[in-house]
Amino acid sequence: EPEVTQTPSHQVTQMGQEVILRCVPISNHLYFYWYRQILGQKVEFLVSFYNNEISEKSEIFDDQFSVERPDGSNFTLKIRSTKLEDSAMYFCASRTYRVNEQFFGPGTRLTVL
Amino acid sequence: QQQVKQSPQSLIVQKGGISIINCAYENTAFDYFPWYQQFPGKGPALLIAIRPDVSEKKEGRFTISFNKSAKQFSLHIMDSQPGDSATYFCAADSGNQFYFGTGTSLTVIP
Repeated sequence: EPEVTQTPSHQVTQMGQEVILRCVPISNHLYFYWYRQILGQKVEFLVSFYNNEISEKSEIFDDQFSVERPDGSNFTLKIRSTKLEDSAMYFCASRTYRVNEQFFGPGTRLTVL
Repeated sequence: QQQVKQSPQSLIVQKGGISIINCAYENTAFDYFPWYQQFPGKGPALLIAIRPDVSEKKEGRFTISFNKSAKQFSLHIMDSQPGDSATYFCAADSGNQFYFGTGTSLTVIP
């Protein structure tokens, strides 16, 4: 069964460093998302991406964040200068056209020291 | 503004019992209401979902009840099993994003 994959599973970085989180959505999906989950809290929407552009973004997704689909398979989230409060689990999700269900990846745990 | 409110925060149920988790939403434009199950260290996985034109949906031991006028929906887990112990999130789809509830940690005691 096709699934969303994410790498790395765990990323440790120093405050102020740039990180890139990578996702490979399900191959025929057209809509891509990033969510984050701070430990013990709810899943929060960051950004949605369709047709090579951002569809919607939340207040969390400020100028330090960017997304890119560099090729036909990868979908990346970049945080330019990480802060301590960026420490969270980051989930990528994707869905196909005219179907609401979003399929979530296993997540990347980001730890900012 | 919290678009989706979920309760209870935690729930302990005996094996074989019924687990009930409730959610309420604000925006009447939401058109899809999924429930996700999450095990520690894993991503959320879709459990069951409903659209607002249906009042109930059942899949195996899992049932969603939907009350459009009250803007509420609930998940019922019948014959709860220890393997159901997980965190459950309700969500509502605006078309561009899912708004998640705060989650319910379910523990099923053998």
